Amino acid sequence: KAGVTQTPRYLIKTRGQQVTLSCSPISGHRSVSWYQQTPGQGLQFLFEYFSETQRNKGNFPGRFSGRQFSNSRSEMNVSTLELGDSALYLCASSLDYTLTPGNTIYFGEGSWLTVV
Amino acid sequence: QKEVEQDPGPLSVPEGAIVSLNCTYSNSAFQYFMWYRQYSRKGPELLMYTYSSGNKEDGRFTAQVDKSSKYISLFIRDSQPSDSATYLCAMSWTGANSKLTFGKGITLSVRP
Repeated sequence: KAGVTQTPRYLIKTRGQQVTLSCSPISGHRSVSWYQQTPGQGLQFLFEYFSETQRNKGNFPGRFSGRQFSNSRSEMNVSTLELGDSALYLCASSLDYTLTPGNTIYFGEGSWLTVV
Repeated sequence: QKEVEQDPGPLSVPEGAIVSLNCTYSNSAFQYFMWYRQYSRKGPELLMYTYSSGNKEDGRFTAQVDKSSKYISLFIRDSQPSDSATYLCAMSWTGANSKLTFGKGITLSVRP
């Protein structure tokens, strides 16, 4: 069974540009979450989607947005990139959006974004 | 005060040592507790999860939750060099709109 797949794995962008990251969840998983990981702040929740609807959102500015498609694949977009956006962006998938013992969250390997 | 605090490390131990990793939290609504292991340049992988208080054992790993003290621990027995990684605690309330809140992680190095 394939895991969570994220593309691209590595990318370098210039300040002011925008970036789109893609995530394919595990087959059958309908919930997709996005996290930002930095050395200073650790793993921080960005947002969660289920059945193409954003169900939960973290404390990030509006430059960070996402969407989910009917096949559960998800994209996140960061506009007007800042140096501080350099981070590992992790996608996670689960069967549904309710965190219960039977609904484990699985992470992809992440997309490393460097803003110069 | 952050919702989840984790010892910052790093931690270096000799092979075969017993390792104790700890997190404290402030949100009494948390009921679902997890430990993730993250190897360098990889995504986190779920190691252990515990629902509510108590202990859970899986091979060399034991997860412990003390809700009265708002304290969780992960014990690694007979540590191996392959255990060298960053360990993250994570927790959440259960139900709709629940989301994982992570500790910052501690990097463990097991010396052969």
